[in-house]
Amino acid sequence: DTAVSQTPKYLVTQMGNDKSIKCEQNLGHDTMYWYKQDSKKFLKIMFSYNNKELIINETVPNRFSPKSPDKAHLNLHINSLELGDSAVYFCASRPGGGREKLFFGSGTQLSVL
Amino acid sequence: AQSVTQLGSHVSVSEGALVLLRCNYSSSVPPYLFWYVQYPNQGLQLLLKYTSAATLVKGINGFEAEFKKSETSFHLTKPSAHMSDAAEYFCAVSEGSGYALNFGKGTSLLVTP
Repeated sequence: DTAVSQTPKYLVTQMGNDKSIKCEQNLGHDTMYWYKQDSKKFLKIMFSYNNKELIINETVPNRFSPKSPDKAHLNLHINSLELGDSAVYFCASRPGGGREKLFFGSGTQLSVL
Repeated sequence: AQSVTQLGSHVSVSEGALVLLRCNYSSSVPPYLFWYVQYPNQGLQLLLKYTSAATLVKGINGFEAEFKKSETSFHLTKPSAHMSDAAEYFCAVSEGSGYALNFGKGTSLLVTP
């Protein structure tokens, strides 16, 4: 069973469109994250939720809006997509209680044309 | 803020040779340090982590890393490279109230026959 699953794996869309990426974890973890990996492979934290509460909100355009309906899900909605949004987006989760390792999903490759 | 710096964006070794990937950290508190590996078109997989216990940490696939406080380093090594080790390697430090991982810029390991 996949521990952290993201859908879709690939997303190709036009500039100006709105799209969502979904993430689900079946590990019972309390904390979930969204990371963006750019074309140079650099990974940058975007958001984090702990038990549905937003705890990390890095400097990200407000076109990006995370939503956590429950602690097993963290979705990422992007409005008015721009060329620069093209990247791989990774969801991750961590058990509560401290600085434990993160479990990553396999990523969503977003291409904005 | 805690951060890590990976020296060398690309490292090339021959099959069977020693692998050495360098990581230096900057932290005002005892750091929690991680090495992750990313194979092409996949998510990130934990190789090993340092959490202030033993300074020599053994991980999966024959990798190990040594925490050296005096040098603020956490270099990753493997005695004998395999072709299957070719991948992107990331050093990371856990920080902040959300315990997100701050990643280095990654080192691409190429293994030649």
